[in-house]
Amino acid sequence: AQTVTQSQPEMSVQEAETVTLSCTYDTSESDYYLFWYKQPPSRQMILVIRQEAYKQQNATENRFSVNFQKAAKSFSLKISDSQLGDAAMYFCAFCTGTYKYIFGTGTRLKVLA
Amino acid sequence: DTGVSQDPRHKITKRGQNVTFRCDPISEHNRLYWYRQTLGQGPEFLTYFQNEAQLEKSRLLSDRFSAERPKGSFSTLEIQRTEQGDSAMYLCATQGNVALETQYFGPGTRLLVL
Repeated sequence: AQTVTQSQPEMSVQEAETVTLSCTYDTSESDYYLFWYKQPPSRQMILVIRQEAYKQQNATENRFSVNFQKAAKSFSLKISDSQLGDAAMYFCAFCTGTYKYIFGTGTRLKVLA
Repeated sequence: DTGVSQDPRHKITKRGQNVTFRCDPISEHNRLYWYRQTLGQGPEFLTYFQNEAQLEKSRLLSDRFSAERPKGSFSTLEIQRTEQGDSAMYLCATQGNVALETQYFGPGTRLLVL
């Protein structure tokens, strides 16, 4: 079975500091994609960053970067210079050839002023 | 705003009633997905369409659930004889022909069954 595990139900970070959200997954597939989505309260889920499993280089999008460890099946998200607008639920997800997503249970990120 | 819209945003109904939700995708996107999200959980896959063809249905989708995508444009999700366990957020997501792996989500329809 393909699963995604987010072991941190909630995280807090001081504004301007750095925080890392963890995600592990399990699959027997060799080709897949990994994602972090952000879901602000009562707002749409939006893509933060994505990673192709065949790429060794970690993806980066401005203040967001990932640490992708394929052998360990780990895909953590690092948010640098945290801002109040980063407060949201963050979901880790992956998909294979059918492109349907399997999501983790999410991590609620609080940003403290 | 991702460009995917859903209607209604909220629905309260009594147990046993039928409800229908609508999703309008980004116009050039040919794949459309429905997910269900309960409190404290991540979204769970229900079904997906490529154009008008429904290609896969999850075991979560009981006989009381039906989805359609006539003409490969908007999609509807109907729940017949609603039960309290159907209370959830129903999310629609769409994919285009480029960067097939990236899905764009709508704001969801929050259903409460009393």
